[in-house]
Parts: sequence; structure tokens; C-alpha cells
Amino acid sequence: DAGVIQSPRHEVTEMGQEVTLRCKPISGHDYLFWYRQTMMRGLELLIYFNNNVPIDDSGMPEDRFSAKMPNASFSTLKIQPSEPRDSAVYFCASTSVSGGYGELFFGEGSRLTVL
Amino acid sequence: SQQGEEDPQALSIQEGENATMNCSYKTSINNLQWYRQNSGRGLVHLILIRSNEREKHSGRLRVTLDTSKKSSSLLITASRAADTASYFCATGPNTGTASKLTFGTGTRLQVTL
Repeated sequence: DAGVIQSPRHEVTEMGQEVTLRCKPISGHDYLFWYRQTMMRGLELLIYFNNNVPIDDSGMPEDRFSAKMPNASFSTLKIQPSEPRDSAVYFCASTSVSGGYGELFFGEGSRLTVL
Repeated sequence: SQQGEEDPQALSIQEGENATMNCSYKTSINNLQWYRQNSGRGLVHLILIRSNEREKHSGRLRVTLDTSKKSSSLLITASRAADTASYFCATGPNTGTASKLTFGTGTRLQVTL
């Protein structure tokens, strides 16, 4: 298996622009997680899905952030409009059991820089 | 806020020495996991220990869990330069949504030749 695939790996954009991050989970995994990593706040869970349905989005910082999972093999995290404080590395992870019991498989991350 | 706090924040040792990292957490847990992150890469799962276990081994890794003290430790024996990375503990909650893993602040390990 190719593992969790994220794109783009790097994104540099200007404040106010829309940013879309993409994730392809491991085939057969029914949980998908979006995390954000910064030096100041560490790793934060933004949202997670089970069987394509959002289960908990309490970590999404603002209405500027939205996430979708239209099918089992694809998810997007969108920021509109983007702000400099959104600069971070965004990770997607998937697992085949409840994430509290099993291991998470992470992608390589999307490093976002908002100027 | 972070559920887990790792200690120390940074650790520098020489190859062949043992490295010990500690993790403290605040609420009841179902399980605790350790992950490694190499610079610029994603996190990789190392080991999981359930709340009813006290010690677990995997290769050169040994994890202990003390639920009464809400703490865990990760020991890497005979460290190698390739072990240089950040190490994170992550906790799974005891109640509610069991799928939410909360990560600690991490320990940066540097292993020098």
C-alpha cells in the first residue's frame, strides 16, 4: 500500500487566498483525521471522519476552515480566506479501527505558508 | 490544551547510550501510544500500551505505564544516530469518543556519533 497521500507537500499563498489541502487515506481505513502542527501549539486535532461522516469538528479553529470527505478515498481541508496565522503543517491520518485503540497512519504533511 | 506533556523537551546523548523520555497526562485513558517524527516527515507509530498493562517491549523500545501517576516512559536502548527524531506520546480517552487521540508536546532526541 502507498500509505496516506497528501497534496500539495508545500503551499505558499498570500493572505486572503483560498487554500485546499487534499488527502487520500489508506484503502480500507474507515477513520480519517486532520491534524495541524505548529511550534507554539504542537499537534492539534482539527476534525475526524468515520465512514465519510464528520464525527467531531470541535478542533476546527474558525468558520474559515471546512473539511469534506465525499468518498472513502478522498478528503479535503479548505481554508477560505487564509491568514498568516494559518501557517502550519497540516497532517492527514487514517486508521482501520477506532483511533483510540489502534495506530494512526500519517501522511507526510502539507506545509502551508501564508504571507 | 495538550493532554500529554513530555519531559525532557530535548535530549542529547551519544550513540550506544540509553534514552528515556517521560509523558504525563491529565485524564483517564484507554491507551497510550508513542510516535516518532523525523524532521520534515509525518509521524510514525512505535508502540501502544493499554491502560491495564504496565510494561511493553518492542525491539529496543520499552514502554511503561503508571495509571495511578498518570505517566508513561519510553526507553530506547543502545541508541543509534538513526533514532534522532522527535518523540510524542498520545492518549486515547477512557470515555466518550474513543477515537480522539491527543498528542503531547514531544521530546527532541539527538543521538550523536
